[in-house]
Order: sequence, then C-alpha cells, then structure tokens
Amino acid sequence: KAGVTQTPRYLIKTRGQQVTLSCSPISGHRSVSWYQQTPGQGLQFLFEYFSETQRNKGNFPGRFSGRQFSNSRSEMNVSTLELGDSALYLCASSRASPRDLVSDTQYFGPGTRLTVL
Amino acid sequence: KNEVEQSPQNLTAQEGEFITINCSYSVGISALHWLQQHPGGGIVSLFMLSSGKKKHGRLIATINIQEKHSSLHITASHPRDSAVYICAVLLEYGNKLVFGAGTILRVKS
Repeated sequence: KAGVTQTPRYLIKTRGQQVTLSCSPISGHRSVSWYQQTPGQGLQFLFEYFSETQRNKGNFPGRFSGRQFSNSRSEMNVSTLELGDSALYLCASSRASPRDLVSDTQYFGPGTRLTVL
Repeated sequence: KNEVEQSPQNLTAQEGEFITINCSYSVGISALHWLQQHPGGGIVSLFMLSSGKKKHGRLIATINIQEKHSSLHITASHPRDSAVYICAVLLEYGNKLVFGAGTILRVKS
C-alpha cells in the first residue's frame, strides 16, 4: 500500500507570492491533516479535512487555506507569502470515522519544504 | 507555559542503555501520540494512547491520565534509534493536536 505522498518536495518562492501544496493520502483514508514545522515554533496544527469538509482549524491567519477533493486528496494554499512562512509543511492521513475525528493513528507524508525569499 | 512539556530536550546515550523520555501536559486530552522524526523530516507515529501501556518491540509507552504524564521507554537502545521524539496530545475539546517541542536523542555506538 502506497504511503502518503506530498508534492512538491521542495519549493522556493518570494515574498508576496502564493503557493499551493498537494497531499495524496493512503488509499481508503478519509481524513487529512496539515501541519507546519519551524525551528522556532516546532510542529503546529493547521487544519483537518474529512470528506471534503474542514472539521478543525488551528490558529493561523486566513492566508492559510485548504480544501479536500472527493478522492480525499487535499491541497493547502498560502497567499501573500511572508518570510516567516518558510517551513516544512507536513500532511498526515488517517482512516478516522466521523466520530473518531483525529483520534486514529496518523500516517505522515515526507513533507514539502517551503523557502520564502 | 506550554500545554505540552517534554524532557529532556536533548539526550545522549550509549548503545544498549535504557532510555526514558517524559511528556507532561496541562490540558484535558482524549489521546496522546508519540512520534519519531528522523533527519530529513519523515515522521512516524509510534503509539497512540488513551490509557495504560503499549509495547512495540523495544519501545514501551505509558500514560497516567490522573497525573497528566506519559513516558516513552526504549530498551537496549541502538544508534538507529537516534531521532527526535515528539509527544502530541489530542485536545479533549476542539480535536486539535498540540505538540511538545521534541526530545533529540543520540545513541552512540
């Protein structure tokens, strides 16, 4: 069974640009969560999608958004990039039922390393 | 004060030693995860606990809900165990994962 895949793996952008990152979950997994990891703040929860609906959101500005498609693939978008958005962006998928939410074991992708210049 | 505190921040051990990493939290949770992150970024979920104890190979995780504390133990440590170990709690309300800062473990041969 293929693992969680993320594309692209590396990305360099300049301030003010926007970026879209993609995550393909493990087949059969309906929940996709996104995380940001920086040296200063560590790992932080961005949002979680289940069956095309955002179920939960972390404390990030509205420049960070996401969506999930009917095949469970998910994208996250960051608009008007700032230097502080440079980070490793990780997505994770789980089977998670409507009741279990994010309590199921999560499987992480390799991440997309975004550098904002 | 962070909602999730890990100790120690850094740990160097000799191959074969018994290792303990601690995680304390100050919020109500519905589950606790232990994660392993190797250089390069890849994260592996080791355990998910809501009570008691779980064992997988040389790894043992325990949680004490009343004391709001969890430990990850590694028996007979090996250099390949060198990684960052991260504790994450699933908040009881809001269903968000909150992460500890991680423990950097280095096992020397």
